[in-house]
Amino acid sequence: DADVTQTPRNRITKTGKRIMLECSQTKGHDRMYWYRQDPGLGLRLIYYSFDVKDINKGEISDGYSVSRQAQAKFSLSLESAIPNQTALYFCATSDTGLADNEQFFGPGTRLTVL
Amino acid sequence: RKEVEQDPGPFNVPEGATVAFNCTYSNSASQSFFWYRQDCRKEPKLLMSVYSSGNEDGRFTAQLNRASQYISLLIRDSKLSDSATYLCVVNFLTGGFKTIFGAGTRLFVKA
Repeated sequence: DADVTQTPRNRITKTGKRIMLECSQTKGHDRMYWYRQDPGLGLRLIYYSFDVKDINKGEISDGYSVSRQAQAKFSLSLESAIPNQTALYFCATSDTGLADNEQFFGPGTRLTVL
Repeated sequence: RKEVEQDPGPFNVPEGATVAFNCTYSNSASQSFFWYRQDCRKEPKLLMSVYSSGNEDGRFTAQLNRASQYISLLIRDSKLSDSATYLCVVNFLTGGFKTIFGAGTRLFVKA
């Protein structure tokens, strides 16, 4: 079984809808991250969490919110989806160490906002 | 200017060739450096960390040049299975934790 899972894997929705993307991990890591990937732009950090109830904004947090109610789960919400939020979303986890550590990624969620 | 820049390629090389990728970063406070590999429609996976002294893992060699603010990845004896996108990643702590991914360099290894 995968260590980092994401649901759903694919989602098509309409402008203005509320969407939640879920991430679960069995690695026991404290740190979790949400990224989006767009062609030609690389992965960009949306939010990250270093512990339960710890939430930090990343590079592009506007239009998104997150919740970290348990060590193993980190959810990303789009309160009112818009077309430019169409992207590939990745969740990742890492172990201790503020900077020098490996991140483990989930398989990604492909989101399309019409 | 992007904080982390990579040549997007694609690099098209024959099997057995040696290929090198560079990545430049703009923030001199950068602390740690990595190369990740991403296959088409898959998640990124760590290929190797990059240390100031340089490091090697089989056919892969990574180098860091802090003075010139770039990192490199050298792949020797390319295999078909090396075909992927290679992402340069830089972490730094200016104003809080920050991790920046380059847009990636695409490599195609041909038979």
